[in-house]
Amino acid sequence: SQTIHQWPATLVQPVGSPLSLECTVEGTSNPNLYWYRQAAGRGLQLLFYSIGIDQISSEVPQNLSASRPQDRQFILSSKKLLLSDSGFYLCAWSVPSGRALEQFFGPGTRLTVL
Amino acid sequence: AQRVTQPEKLLSVFKGAPVELKCNYSYSGSPELFWYVQYSRQRLQLLLRHISRESIKGFTADLNKGETSFHLKKPFAQEEDSAMYYCALITGTYKYIFGTGTRLKVLA
Repeated sequence: SQTIHQWPATLVQPVGSPLSLECTVEGTSNPNLYWYRQAAGRGLQLLFYSIGIDQISSEVPQNLSASRPQDRQFILSSKKLLLSDSGFYLCAWSVPSGRALEQFFGPGTRLTVL
Repeated sequence: AQRVTQPEKLLSVFKGAPVELKCNYSYSGSPELFWYVQYSRQRLQLLLRHISRESIKGFTADLNKGETSFHLKKPFAQEEDSAMYYCALITGTYKYIFGTGTRLKVLA
């Protein structure tokens, strides 16, 4: 069966420090991968999505970047964190068909920037 | 513009009362809509999708293209229905647009 992992579960970082959040999927090949930020009152905001290695689309211009170094690995990064980067970050995957179907979500990472 | 609107941030109902969580969308193409649910301390998960026309845990949702709505309904709310509910729209083939969510509280 397929599973999705995210780590770390929680992270407290100072302003200006770098960030690396990791997401891995098991049990499937060439999944579509997604990074979301979940903020109170703003719902789920799509940050990045990827339909293959080195194929990443950015939805919201901001202080973050994403990379997909392996088929089932998706990384969210920042060179210098801002206070506004605080939030709950979710990774998700969906089957690699011609149409996006159900998304499966990871447990999330709670990021606090101080 | 492509958008999903959930006008209620919080909806409180008594156990046994009917529930309706509102969702309106804006999309020029043929919409595919979903409801996702997040129970306390659990992952966000799919509740139902409009193309399946199914009832899950007593919930149903009908796509009304004329009103551009996809409201989630349940005739008799249960305490275990308390959760955060998100309406979502697929645009193109890969992108999801989620609403801001509605927190449902079912009171005993």
